[in-house]
Amino acid sequence: AQTVTQSQPEMSVQEAETVTLSCTYDTSESDYYLFWYKQPPSRQMILVIRQEAYKQQNATENRFSVNFQKAAKSFSLKISDSQLGDAAMYFCAYRSEDAGGTSYGKLTFGQGTILTVHP
Amino acid sequence: NAGVTQTPKFRVLKTGQSMTLLCAQDMNHEYMYWYRQDPGMGLRLIHYSVGEGTTAKGEVPDGYNVSRLKKQNFLLGLESAAPSQTSVYFCASTEAGRAKNIQYFGAGTRLSVL
Repeated sequence: AQTVTQSQPEMSVQEAETVTLSCTYDTSESDYYLFWYKQPPSRQMILVIRQEAYKQQNATENRFSVNFQKAAKSFSLKISDSQLGDAAMYFCAYRSEDAGGTSYGKLTFGQGTILTVHP
Repeated sequence: NAGVTQTPKFRVLKTGQSMTLLCAQDMNHEYMYWYRQDPGMGLRLIHYSVGEGTTAKGEVPDGYNVSRLKKQNFLLGLESAAPSQTSVYFCASTEAGRAKNIQYFGAGTRLSVL
């Protein structure tokens, strides 16, 4: 079974600065997807960014980018020019993409990191 | 453009009571999921369904039952609620098949069992 670990329960950053959230995972599979979800106080789960394991290029979405190190099984999220609206819980998640299709899109989540943004 | 809708949003139960959480999606998704979120543990999969009439156990299925009589609805039942089931419950759905499909989440249900 896959596991996802977020070792930083809480992080903080000054507005306009850059912060990096860490995520490591354990898997024996070679084909999978990784995701970062944001959960603001409203509780709504919002997809921030996703990375296909077969792609060497790191995914980027505006101010959000990832550092995907497949050999090290590391998937960190960098938030640049942090804004007050970035304050939230952030979850790293893993999804198998097995050839037989028996993973059925299930996600395995990390424990979450609470990000505080200071004005 | 509703997406995934969960009802109710909040509920307080007494130990031993039963209740059903309803999840409805309007995106014609094949796959649906129920997760629970507890502090320090992220989201954990309770049960899931890969199509109408099918259900399967996830990581933490004990104490819960599910049904998917219609493709758009996925029900989560607690037959005899326990304080350990105090949690926030999320429903999600996605398309079937090998793809970078996104799971769409409902807004969650906060359940307290006293």
